Amino acid sequence: GQQLNQSPQSMFIQEGEDVSMNCTSSSIFNTWLWYKQDPGEGPVLLIALYKAGELTSNGRLTAQFGITRKDSFLNISASIPSDVGIYFCAGQSVSGNTPLVFGKGTRLSVIA
Amino acid sequence: EPEVTQTPSHQVTQMGQEVILRCVPISNHLYFYWYRQILGQKVEFLVSFYNNEISEKSEIFDDQFSVERPDGSNFTLKIRSTKLEDSAMYFCASRQGGEQYFGPGTRLTVT
Repeated sequence: GQQLNQSPQSMFIQEGEDVSMNCTSSSIFNTWLWYKQDPGEGPVLLIALYKAGELTSNGRLTAQFGITRKDSFLNISASIPSDVGIYFCAGQSVSGNTPLVFGKGTRLSVIA
Repeated sequence: EPEVTQTPSHQVTQMGQEVILRCVPISNHLYFYWYRQILGQKVEFLVSFYNNEISEKSEIFDDQFSVERPDGSNFTLKIRSTKLEDSAMYFCASRQGGEQYFGPGTRLTVT
């Protein structure tokens, strides 16, 4: 099946630093979504991307849909302690009801 | 803000027992999903549901699993005879446009 390679697996950063994580795939996706998951909770949608090259921001978060449609990155600027959690990328390969394929997640730790 | 809700939040059951996990999707959404997440691992697709029937299912969704939309609001996942390896978080999701919204999950523990 389709696989998403998400990196890095984990990050330890100082509060105030910027963060970047990315996902790559060997196949094309039509939609990229970025989620954040806190311990014991469900994934919360952060940003949705629908078009190759699209750059979308949500507060301090910025995500881009790669031109090749095989990758996406998420940047977090000026990190704060509440940014701690696991960030997942998810891709959908065709329009309609196809399921999401998830990356393995990036665990972010912020040191105050 | 409308959200997906799930009950129970935690279910403990003995191996071989049947469990039903319940979800109330966001009210104007038409596409529904179940995913599971084994502790420490990524989220995996189980099944999608549209227009009162299964649209797609993964290899994980074998004959022990079934889904139902018994009324206009609930969406359920049934596991007929639970196994130890069914222990996981189970997430329901519903979709509007391209955006899937997840519920808080049910933690299923099979002993």
